Amino acid sequence: SQQGEEDPQALSIQEGENATMNCSYKTSINNLQWYRQNSGRGLVHLILIRSNEREKHSGRLRVTLDTSKKSSSLLITASRAADTASYFCATVLGTASKLTFGTGTRLQVTL
Amino acid sequence: NAGVTQTPKFRVLKTGQSMTLLCAQDMNHEYMYWYRQDPGMGLRLIHYSVGEGTTAKGEVPDGYNVSRLKKQNFLLGLESAAPSQTSVYFCASRALGNEQFFGPGTRLTVL
Repeated sequence: SQQGEEDPQALSIQEGENATMNCSYKTSINNLQWYRQNSGRGLVHLILIRSNEREKHSGRLRVTLDTSKKSSSLLITASRAADTASYFCATVLGTASKLTFGTGTRLQVTL
Repeated sequence: NAGVTQTPKFRVLKTGQSMTLLCAQDMNHEYMYWYRQDPGMGLRLIHYSVGEGTTAKGEVPDGYNVSRLKKQNFLLGLESAAPSQTSVYFCASRALGNEQFFGPGTRLTVL
């Protein structure tokens, strides 16, 4: 099955720095979504980018999509300790909008 | 508006026992999904439903059954639990905009 692969697997930065996470996938998609998971909790939707879009912003989040390279990146600017979490990309193909998740990036933001 | 709720939050089973996990959503969503998450991995789709009375297999359906008798509820059953089914189970429902809303998860241990 198609699956996103996030890079890096783990990232540790200081508060105020920017965090960049990358996602690669294998086949064509309808859209790509990013989710955040705090330890022991369910996933929270962050942002969706459609296959015909190249860049999207939401607050401190910036997502890019390069369908020719089958890759996406998530940039969190001016990170905060509260951004500490695991971040997953998920690709969507088909009318049932089934999500296929990557393995995630664990982000640690220290004071 | 509770969103997506899951019952129970924790459960320990012995090999061969059966149980049912309940997912409920109060957002009138048509689509509902069951995922499992294993350590260090992203979520994998078990089964999903595109509406009341319908179910379909996902990526890892073996050993599980589901039912969607009411639009707001999606049940996941384990007929004969195995240690390989030790995992955290997440239910989600989908809004029109493709975003999925996740429940808090059920942590299941099979001894």
